[in-house]
Amino acid sequence: EAQVTQNPRYLITVTGKKLTVTCSQNMNHEYMSWYRQDPGLGLRQIYYSMNVEVTDKGDVPEGYKVSRKEKRNFPLILESPSPNQTSLYFCASSSKGAWNSPLHFGNGTRLTVT
Amino acid sequence: SQQGEEDPQALSIQEGENATMNCSYKTSINNLQWYRQNSGRGLVHLILIRSNEREKHSGRLRVTLDTSKKSSSLLITASRAADTASYFCATDVNTNAGKSTFGDGTTLTVKP
Repeated sequence: EAQVTQNPRYLITVTGKKLTVTCSQNMNHEYMSWYRQDPGLGLRQIYYSMNVEVTDKGDVPEGYKVSRKEKRNFPLILESPSPNQTSLYFCASSSKGAWNSPLHFGNGTRLTVT
Repeated sequence: SQQGEEDPQALSIQEGENATMNCSYKTSINNLQWYRQNSGRGLVHLILIRSNEREKHSGRLRVTLDTSKKSSSLLITASRAADTASYFCATDVNTNAGKSTFGDGTTLTVKP
């Protein structure tokens, strides 16, 4: 089944403790992206990757890192999480980029930073 | 600021009625997409309309695009309780193939 898989689904952590949210897709998509969703603010793009070893900042990249060493994986790294990064995070992928083809979303990771 | 903004923020209708949601955007686009989100879940793609298209249909969904007004509408006909969800429009940023912008969404409630 074609899908985008995020792990973990829920995560509670403390300020400053490094964490990684994994994202994997099995559709051989070139494009992958991370978003955060907060009440009243919709989805905001954090980072995206047009292809392997190519990453770029979205609208809210501060406090986040990403890497794209393989086509299928696009992990989101929070080196020193802070409470304002408490949010619902989504990974997405598409075959041709953010606007040329539909985005396929993972089921989300709900992160709480205390 | 958000490229796409949906209107209304919330909409409540009876089953069988039609639901119309609107999206406005600020800058030139290549295409516009509509997505649906059931509570707290990942977004699901509904329809993509390109900037040179004016209308597109998919089942009970009808999307229109008016590039002169920088707006789009999503019409759901003969709504069902299962259509209860949040609906988002998403636009690309014309100069950057990687960037996408989502609006804040319209929350639709369809009462049985």
